[in-house]
Amino acid sequence: KNEVEQSPQNLTAQEGEFITINCSYSVGISALHWLQQHPGGGIVSLFMLSSGKKKHGRLIATINIQEKHSSLHITASHPRDSAVYICAVSSNTGNQFYFGTGTSLTVIP
Amino acid sequence: DTAVSQTPKYLVTQMGNDKSIKCEQNLGHDTMYWYKQDSKKFLKIMFSYNNKELIINETVPNRFSPKSPDKAHLNLHINSLELGDSAVYFCASSQNEQGASGYTFGSGTRLTVV
Repeated sequence: KNEVEQSPQNLTAQEGEFITINCSYSVGISALHWLQQHPGGGIVSLFMLSSGKKKHGRLIATINIQEKHSSLHITASHPRDSAVYICAVSSNTGNQFYFGTGTSLTVIP
Repeated sequence: DTAVSQTPKYLVTQMGNDKSIKCEQNLGHDTMYWYKQDSKKFLKIMFSYNNKELIINETVPNRFSPKSPDKAHLNLHINSLELGDSAVYFCASSQNEQGASGYTFGSGTRLTVV
């Protein structure tokens, strides 16, 4: 079992829909990261969270430390949001990093 | 001006060869990383260096040897390449080893071993 689990694994949405990607983790963390990987392969760091909620444009990330759960929301989705979204955590012991397997999002015009 | 640059972008080589991938960051970050993304797109950390010192060394064959001549550079040398080494390798940096301010990734090096 992975230390970081994401759901869903694949997601197809119509343009304009509200999208939620979930991430659960089983280790103690110092921070949780959301990454975006576009079809060309490049990876962009979207958010780093240790508590609460962060917003950047149409993207919102939340984390519940007690429940060991984070969500990434995309409002008013657009085809350019099509990418793989990866959840990753840095543990609070031993400098360990764990990655989820990613959620492949396709937004259809 | 690219923040984290990796070279080469593509590398095709035969089994048994030795090859290096270079990474440089101009962000003034203290911490640099190497990640491997396998054919299933699963991303896994390989190494992490903070101010030229190794802080993470995951279970990676010792054919892989990172070298950090200064905190702006983290190169990855691979000896005796095997078919299973074919993957995309990403370099990244962060302000410190806690990942402050998030990570900046290079564009990746696609290694194909034939």
